[in-house]
Amino acid sequence: EIVLTQSPGTLSLSPGERATLSCRASQSVSSTYLAWYQQKPGQAPRLLIYGASSRATGIPDRFSGSGSGTDFIFTISRLEPEDSAVYYCHQYSSSWTFGQGTKVEIK
Amino acid sequence: QVQLVESGGGVVQPGGSLRLSCAASGFTFTSYGMHWVRQAPGKGLEWVAFIQNDGSNKYYVDSVKGRFTISRDQTKNMLYLQLKSLRAEDAAVYYCAKVLSGSYSASDKWGQGTKVTVSS
Repeated sequence: EIVLTQSPGTLSLSPGERATLSCRASQSVSSTYLAWYQQKPGQAPRLLIYGASSRATGIPDRFSGSGSGTDFIFTISRLEPEDSAVYYCHQYSSSWTFGQGTKVEIK
Repeated sequence: QVQLVESGGGVVQPGGSLRLSCAASGFTFTSYGMHWVRQAPGKGLEWVAFIQNDGSNKYYVDSVKGRFTISRDQTKNMLYLQLKSLRAEDAAVYYCAKVLSGSYSASDKWGQGTKVTVSS
């Protein structure tokens, strides 16, 4: 099983700042098979990024993803108050697993 | 527009059974694989099961193998998850999710979830 480890656990930033989230895999993941989701309290997850760097339909360009192999990065270039949420990485290269999540708090 | 609506959750005793349903609409159901993903209270997301678009292949996380069964009814656009021998650790909100494309793909649409409580 591929284990995904996200860091940091919590990120507290101000509006307009840049958020950088990390996802490290226990073994290599094809970049085609790495996604990022946003989940707000009481809501279902929302797909933001798939294929490591492709934005899903309707996702603003302030959200971006990059990386390959075992190290992947998710970036929110300019934080807005509504970006407060938990963000999960997800691999579907070998079975399906999720990271434990990074909570982004807006000061 | 795509809609996924789960139902069937509730309170069940340890060792009990439950069948979850997911009604799909707004897309060609027979063309997409489907997942069940769960989230225990205050915890992260855990993939549970996947069924290929034509129902030919099914996959499960190890912790539910032999206890849960995923299935689909193509004529009714319905996805199911049969839960048996339920344990306290199975308590969670269960989401159905549609894949973006193919089998190994991200999930672009999710239902609102149905809650399963396992308690005596």
